[in-house]
Amino acid sequence: RKEVEQDPGPFNVPEGATVAFNCTYSNSASQSFFWYRQDCRKEPKLLMSVYSSGNEDGRFTAQLNRASQYISLLIRDSKLSDSATYLCVVNMAPSGSARQLTFGSGTQLTVLP
Amino acid sequence: EAQVTQNPRYLITVTGKKLTVTCSQNMNHEYMSWYRQDPGLGLRQIYYSMNVEVTDKGDVPEGYKVSRKEKRNFPLILESPSPNQTSLYFCASPKSGTYGYTFGSGTRLTVV
Repeated sequence: RKEVEQDPGPFNVPEGATVAFNCTYSNSASQSFFWYRQDCRKEPKLLMSVYSSGNEDGRFTAQLNRASQYISLLIRDSKLSDSATYLCVVNMAPSGSARQLTFGSGTQLTVLP
Repeated sequence: EAQVTQNPRYLITVTGKKLTVTCSQNMNHEYMSWYRQDPGLGLRQIYYSMNVEVTDKGDVPEGYKVSRKEKRNFPLILESPSPNQTSLYFCASPKSGTYGYTFGSGTRLTVV
């Protein structure tokens, strides 16, 4: 079983749609959680951190469910520019130690005009 | 501006010819890391360094070496590259103010 699992997609949605991605992680001791965005052939870039209480950044909402060990990302009113691969990332290192990020394989999103 | 700079962006080489991919960061951070990215496998950690002269293996260290002689630089060395090391490589260092990473622009390596 992979440590961080994501549905690879691809998700093809029309402009303006709401789309949700889920991600599960295996290590219940994981400390911090992120969503990264990666455009084709480019480096991953931090989209948002995921907090226990859930957090929102404009059209993006991230949620964490520690009991079920999953993380979600919701994109509302999707834009063409949202087309990218979204990576679920988990820091599995114990608190206070080095940052050991484990990456999911990514979910590919294409927003269609 | 906080940056991680890696070179070269593209490299085609032949099996067995030693190569080095350079990485430098201007954030004065102790921690640096190398990843490789392959289709369907995501990003996998090769080596990481917690400080100068402190390096450790990640998940896929075979065939790679690293060195950390100074804080800003963390080169990745392939002593005898093989075709299965054809991949997209990223260097990364923590992003200030968060627990995320800043990545370099990537090095696309092809070993023939």
